[in-house]
Amino acid sequence: ETGVTQSPTHLIKTRGQQVTLRCSSQSGHNTVSWYQQALGQGPQFIFQYYREEENGRGNFPPRFSGLQFPNYSSELNVNALELDDSALYLCASSFPGSQETQYFGPGTRLLVL
Amino acid sequence: AQTVTQSQPEMSVQEAETVTLSCTYDTSESDYYLFWYKQPPSRQMILVIRQEAYKQQNATENRFSVNFQKAAKSFSLKISDSQLGDAAMYFCAYSVISGNTPLVFGKGTRLSVIA
Repeated sequence: ETGVTQSPTHLIKTRGQQVTLRCSSQSGHNTVSWYQQALGQGPQFIFQYYREEENGRGNFPPRFSGLQFPNYSSELNVNALELDDSALYLCASSFPGSQETQYFGPGTRLLVL
Repeated sequence: AQTVTQSQPEMSVQEAETVTLSCTYDTSESDYYLFWYKQPPSRQMILVIRQEAYKQQNATENRFSVNFQKAAKSFSLKISDSQLGDAAMYFCAYSVISGNTPLVFGKGTRLSVIA
C-alpha cells in the first residue's frame, strides 16, 4: 500500500510568483486536506477536498486555491506569493467514513525570496 | 473556536525511562477525537495514537499511552521505555466529529532522548 506522497520536496520562488504543489493520496482515501506549517509552529488548516469539491476552508485568503482530481490526488495553488508564505506545506488523506483520522505526506518546503 | 495548548516547548528523557507530554484543549463539543502526532526531522507527520472522546478507556499503542481526562479537557501522552528513535516534535491535535474535520494542532513539544 502506497502512502501519501507530495511533490516537489523543496521549492524556491520569488515574491509575486505563483506555485503549484501536488499530493497523491493514500490508496483507498477519498478526502485530502492541506495544511501550512510555519517554522516552529503547529500545522494550520488551509482547506479540505472531498469528491473533487472543497469541503471546508481555514482562515486563508482566496489566492490559496486547490483542486482534487477523479483519482483523489490534489493540487494546492498559491498566487501572488508573499514572504510569509514560506513554510512547510503538508497534505493529508483519510478513508471514507473516517475523515477525522488523517495520514500525512512528507511535505513540500517552500521558500519565498 | 477550538484551541489546543501544549505548555511544554521542550522535554528530555533518558533512554529507557518514561516521559509524559501534556496537552489541554478547549471545546464546547461533547463528541470529538484527540490525536498525538510525531514529527521527526524528516518532517513527515506520523500518527502515534488516537482517542475518541466518548470512550472512557484510555488508548494504548505499544509503548505509547494516553491519560484522557474529559472533564479537565486534558490529554497527556506517556512514552514508556523511551528509545533514541522517539526523539521528535510531538503535536497534540483535536478534531470534531463531522463531515468536515480539520485537525486543530497545538504548537508542539520537542522531545530529546538522552543515551
